[in-house]
Amino acid sequence: SQTIHQWPATLVQPVGSPLSLECTVEGTSNPNLYWYRQAAGRGLQLLFYSVGIGQISSEVPQNLSASRPQDRQFILSSKKLLLSDSGFYLCAWRGFQGRETQYFGPGTRLLVL
Amino acid sequence: QKEVEQNSGPLSVPEGAIASLNCTYSDRGSQSFFWYRQYSGKSPELIMFIYSNGDKEDGRFTAQLNKASQYVSLLIRDSQPSDSATYLCAVGALSGGYQKVTFGTGTKLQVIP
Repeated sequence: SQTIHQWPATLVQPVGSPLSLECTVEGTSNPNLYWYRQAAGRGLQLLFYSVGIGQISSEVPQNLSASRPQDRQFILSSKKLLLSDSGFYLCAWRGFQGRETQYFGPGTRLLVL
Repeated sequence: QKEVEQNSGPLSVPEGAIASLNCTYSDRGSQSFFWYRQYSGKSPELIMFIYSNGDKEDGRFTAQLNKASQYVSLLIRDSQPSDSATYLCAVGALSGGYQKVTFGTGTKLQVIP
């Protein structure tokens, strides 16, 4: 069965510091992967998606970037964090239940102070 | 303009009652419809998906889809305190060769013992 991992689980970072969040998937090959952010009281916002190694598409302009160095690894980064980057970051992979379906990892809660 | 609309709640129902959660969407080209359950501090968990007009039942859950009215609902029968969570409606549509999933902001359900 497929499993998705994210780390760290929680992170407190000062404004202006760098960021690296990691997502890995087990039990599947060449998955479509997604990064979402869920801010307090707001819906899930799609940040990036990737259909393969080195292939990244961005949904919204922002202070963040993403990379896909390996088939089952998806990384979210920032060079300098802003207060507005605080939120719950979720990695998802595309499964298939007759149609495409997205399954989420456990998430990383980021607080920028 | 929001693409997927949900009443934020909270929706309070007594234990054993039927909880009815509703969602409307704006994109008539939407093809896939999902309900996720999100406990406080946790990531969303897929509980139901529906692709065709009508009802789909899975245990105590029934998803209903009316594409003409652009309306999706989730019924939870015999509601339990453990059903207390935020329920996210999500709608999928093909965009640029992949399925883009748009999430509502969720309805908070409280089941009162």
